[in-house]
Amino acid sequence: DIQMTQSPSSLSASVGDRVTITCRASQSINTYLNWYQQKPGKAPKNLIYAASSLQSGVPSRFSGSGSGTDFTITINSLQPEDFATYYCQQSYSTPYTFGQGTKLEI
Amino acid sequence: EVQLLESGGTLVQPGGSLRLSCAASGFTFSSFAMAWVRQAPGKGLEWVSTISGDGGGTTYYADSVKGHFTVSRDNSKNTLYLQMNSLTAEDTAVYYCAKEASFYNTPPDWFDPWGQGTLVTVSS
Repeated sequence: DIQMTQSPSSLSASVGDRVTITCRASQSINTYLNWYQQKPGKAPKNLIYAASSLQSGVPSRFSGSGSGTDFTITINSLQPEDFATYYCQQSYSTPYTFGQGTKLEI
Repeated sequence: EVQLLESGGTLVQPGGSLRLSCAASGFTFSSFAMAWVRQAPGKGLEWVSTISGDGGGTTYYADSVKGHFTVSRDNSKNTLYLQMNSLTAEDTAVYYCAKEASFYNTPPDWFDPWGQGTLVTVSS
């Protein structure tokens, strides 16, 4: 199975900050990497697919990059609604696996 | 608008069985693979199973559920199912259904959107 490791596990930031979350795969996954945002009590929401493609309706302050084993999601100019938990997920092969999550806190 | 609505979650005793359903609308259901993803209380996301669009279907399972969960779909009813047998406390979680981007679970693939989830609690 492909292991996905996110860092950091938690992150404190302020409105207006720029933050970056990293995700590393245990083997090369090409660009088959997705990012999700989850708020408490809610279902996850896809933000970025295929490493760098922004899902429809997602604000342009979110961006993704990377290929192979190392990936990042960057949020420019944090907004109050961005404080949530973020997960990466590989779709290179089943079993599809998620990172452990990064909790972004004020 | 694409909508997914799960149902069937409840309290069940260890060793019991349960069938979850996910009613889909707003898209051509048979054209997409569908997945179940679960989240234990306070924990992260765990992919459980995927079934291909044709429902014929090619199915995939996480090792943790292989042999005691069965995924199926009825394309005539736009509904996805998860039959869960021999339940243990480790199966306690919110179960989400999600539409996959692909037909046959081939990359690139992603989960979008997700249903609101249904809670399964396994306890005596």
